[in-house]
Amino acid sequence: EVQLVESGGGLVQPGGSLRLSCAASGFTFSSYEMNWVRQAPGKGLAWVSYITSGGGTIYYADSVKGRFTISRDNARNSLYLQMNSLRAEDTAIYYCARASRETSGYFPHYHYSYYMDVWGKGTTVTVSS
Amino acid sequence: EIVMTQSPATLSVSPGERATLSCRASQSFSSNLAWYQQKPGQAPRLLIYGASTRATDIPARFSGSGSGTEFTLTISSLQSEDFAVYYCQQYYNWPYTFGQGTKLEIK
Repeated sequence: EVQLVESGGGLVQPGGSLRLSCAASGFTFSSYEMNWVRQAPGKGLAWVSYITSGGGTIYYADSVKGRFTISRDNARNSLYLQMNSLRAEDTAIYYCARASRETSGYFPHYHYSYYMDVWGKGTTVTVSS
Repeated sequence: EIVMTQSPATLSVSPGERATLSCRASQSFSSNLAWYQQKPGQAPRLLIYGASTRATDIPARFSGSGSGTEFTLTISSLQSEDFAVYYCQQYYNWPYTFGQGTKLEIK
């Protein structure tokens, strides 16, 4: 069974740090790009960060750039999100999501894009004093 | 950044009836559009990708259409388990962005 399990959430004071983990199973983790997506209480979904299968390309939402770091360990089938300088507005459920590739266009000008086909159940981060 | 706008915010429909949810993009793109379903206390679930391709194990009553800036999710005959929040998401350009969601409730 394809599965993603997040952990590492909790209560942290503003300015503090937290490291989230996502354990993958049931598929070849090293072949897939991955994302973190968050959802503030009572709000919609917001993409946070993306990492390619080998870790060579990384993107962040502007709201977390410079404070959050995404990484992965393919030998451990794990994805991570290091969150520093946390703010109240970072309070949310954090989901990891597998990215599946879609190819469009024609050789040699292919366009690659990635939809999120498998999601974990999420881990809750609360930033409060 | 591409802004995704969903309408209506809330849709009240009776079981067995048809539901049509709309999603508009601030910039045009081909078909890099996904729909997700989220029930209370659960993670989102992929329903549709490529604007019109059903994901694995998604029932045929769910269909997606559209391109450019206008996209639609149609649920042909609502079942009790379909009442949830639905999000559209563009994955054409970074940052990938979601609509604010449409809550589908029982009438």
